[in-house]
Amino acid sequence: DTGVSQDPRHKITKRGQNVTFRCDPISEHNRLYWYRQTLGQGPEFLTYFQNEAQLEKSRLLSDRFSAERPKGSFSTLEIQRTEQGDSAMYLCASSPGTSDEQYFGPGTRLTVT
Amino acid sequence: AQKVTQAQTEISVVEKEDVTLDCVYETRDTTYYLFWYKQPPSGELVFLIRRNSFDEQNEISGRYSWNFQKSTSSFNFTITASQVVDSAVYFCALPYNQGGKLIFGQGTELSVKP
Repeated sequence: DTGVSQDPRHKITKRGQNVTFRCDPISEHNRLYWYRQTLGQGPEFLTYFQNEAQLEKSRLLSDRFSAERPKGSFSTLEIQRTEQGDSAMYLCASSPGTSDEQYFGPGTRLTVT
Repeated sequence: AQKVTQAQTEISVVEKEDVTLDCVYETRDTTYYLFWYKQPPSGELVFLIRRNSFDEQNEISGRYSWNFQKSTSSFNFTITASQVVDSAVYFCALPYNQGGKLIFGQGTELSVKP
């Protein structure tokens, strides 16, 4: 039984470049969440999907951020024109349903130089 | 508004001591769930427990126990006979709305020294 996986685990990019992260949830989990975590803080919600439908986006998610979950399977999170303030750990989680526990992946650590 | 407060930023104990991590929450919902997660130095958040607001019985799992008190909006976590492997950041979390997105506290960094 595999858990949530994320790729890449680390990404270093220069300011202004675009980056894309991938998340593979636990199979058959309908819900997929993206969070962002900065040093010393708890994870902050970014967006979530119910199957392929993106149901909510946080105001933290500027127009430079976009997320997809084609066919309700894996999800991608793209950041365009990265800024130094985007440096953070990007966490993906999945759950079977609304009130169920969320299982987190190992995260993608983004460093924008 | 939904809010989770973990007032203890850092706790340091010596191995075999008992330690309690506090969590206080605010919610407009009459029924809700509460969660605890552990984030070890490796960084991956590990699910520990989900609690339904209907059930105020204390939960025990090995050396871990949780005390849920709806009257004081608290959901505290106790580790008995702490071990070095318990060193991690622990987060308490509350779903924000029916969508299930979690609101996390700031976390408590627990350091267990040998």
